[in-house]
Amino acid sequence: EDQVTQSPEALRLQEGESSSLNCSYTVSGLRGLFWYRQDPGKGPEFLFTLYSAGEEKEKERLKATLTKKESFLHITAPKPEDSATYLCAVQAILGFQKLVFGTGTRLLVSP
Amino acid sequence: GAGVSQTPSNKVTEKGKYVELRCDPISGHTALYWYRQSLGQGPEFLIYFQGTGAADDSGLPNDRFFAVRPEGSVSTLKIQRTERGDSAVYLCASSLGRGSYNEQFFGPGTRLTVL
Repeated sequence: EDQVTQSPEALRLQEGESSSLNCSYTVSGLRGLFWYRQDPGKGPEFLFTLYSAGEEKEKERLKATLTKKESFLHITAPKPEDSATYLCAVQAILGFQKLVFGTGTRLLVSP
Repeated sequence: GAGVSQTPSNKVTEKGKYVELRCDPISGHTALYWYRQSLGQGPEFLIYFQGTGAADDSGLPNDRFFAVRPEGSVSTLKIQRTERGDSAVYLCASSLGRGSYNEQFFGPGTRLTVL
């Protein structure tokens, strides 16, 4: 069964304090790994898709990386507006199109 | 352009009642998905449509749940004989369809509360 585990569950950072979020996964053939950001009371907002080990993608203060077993979301010099829940999901080659999500990491960045 | 829209944004109903939740996908997206998200959890897959047909309904929890997409655009998720355990946020997403570049874009969700 495809599974995603995210850590830590919650992370509190000071503004400017860089850190990383972890997403470990097991999947029967990876089609893609997805990162989403979710603000309270809203739907997930798409951030990145990674397709193969070694791939990296960047957007502003965020950089996502992928290995065969896990993905990291690196946050460089975060700002309070980066506070949100970050969700990781995998899509299996044989799983039609469905995404299997982790439970997310709640990030709080204090000024 | 317009994103995925969902109505209503909130729905409060009584145990045993029937509810319908509506999703309007991004124009031109042939694939549509329903997920359910409980508090503190990630979204959980329910059903996937490619065009008008349900290509994968393996996530529907039981036969009280049903979804349709008759014209390949708007979709309705229908829940019969609602139970308190059905309370959650129901999310809809759409994507261009099959293929490698098929990022799913989510709507704001419908918060369902069953009293």
